[in-house]
Amino acid sequence: GAGVSQSPSNKVTEKGKDVELRCDPISGHTALYWYRQSLGQGLEFLIYFQGNSAPDKSGLPSDRFSAERTGGSVSTLTIQRTQQEDSAVYLCASSEDRGVNTEAFFGQGTRLTVV
Amino acid sequence: DQQVKQNSPSLSVQEGRISILNCDYTNSMFDYFLWYKKYPAEGPTFLISISSIKDKNEDGRFTVFLNKSAKHLSLHIVPSQPGDSAVYFCAASNTGKLIFGQGTTLQVKP
Repeated sequence: GAGVSQSPSNKVTEKGKDVELRCDPISGHTALYWYRQSLGQGLEFLIYFQGNSAPDKSGLPSDRFSAERTGGSVSTLTIQRTQQEDSAVYLCASSEDRGVNTEAFFGQGTRLTVV
Repeated sequence: DQQVKQNSPSLSVQEGRISILNCDYTNSMFDYFLWYKKYPAEGPTFLISISSIKDKNEDGRFTVFLNKSAKHLSLHIVPSQPGDSAVYFCAASNTGKLIFGQGTTLQVKP
């Protein structure tokens, strides 16, 4: 597909379990972002990958959260020992690196529910 | 530390009238600003952007204004249509990383 693809679209997990969320960015996009939106809240920045640079992890809320981007393409966000407050929609976005600022394109998101 | 703020959680306007959505930021290093629109159960979609070297950018019914001295930007939609009803997010960028505001829910009444 031409857009950003996220999987799964919905995930229900038990408290304490680990989850992995996947993002396939638009082909050729070198920048990739993860955000989350909790109920009634805005878009909270989590992590930002830009090309071969070290990722900006400043938004990760705790050490239970980690993300990888393999081969400069697909990214996986992992949440270990999930807690109920982790329930949110997790959004991935990608953008081109044209040397200037450019818009990011979002996927549909993964709705995570921790029960 | 909320670097990008949308102080109005909601806005209601009549169809055909102008909608004005506001956004304030604190970081003077931001050099690129964007507006996104989000429908329920969908990802945000890009609407319009503006570079810090400009003070206005227009695209059809949508115009973004930037006041750097006040660290304020606004999105004008005119005329507003019922299909514009959505959550609008402003975002600011420096070195590519996008920081979003909390969003404003716009309702356009027929």
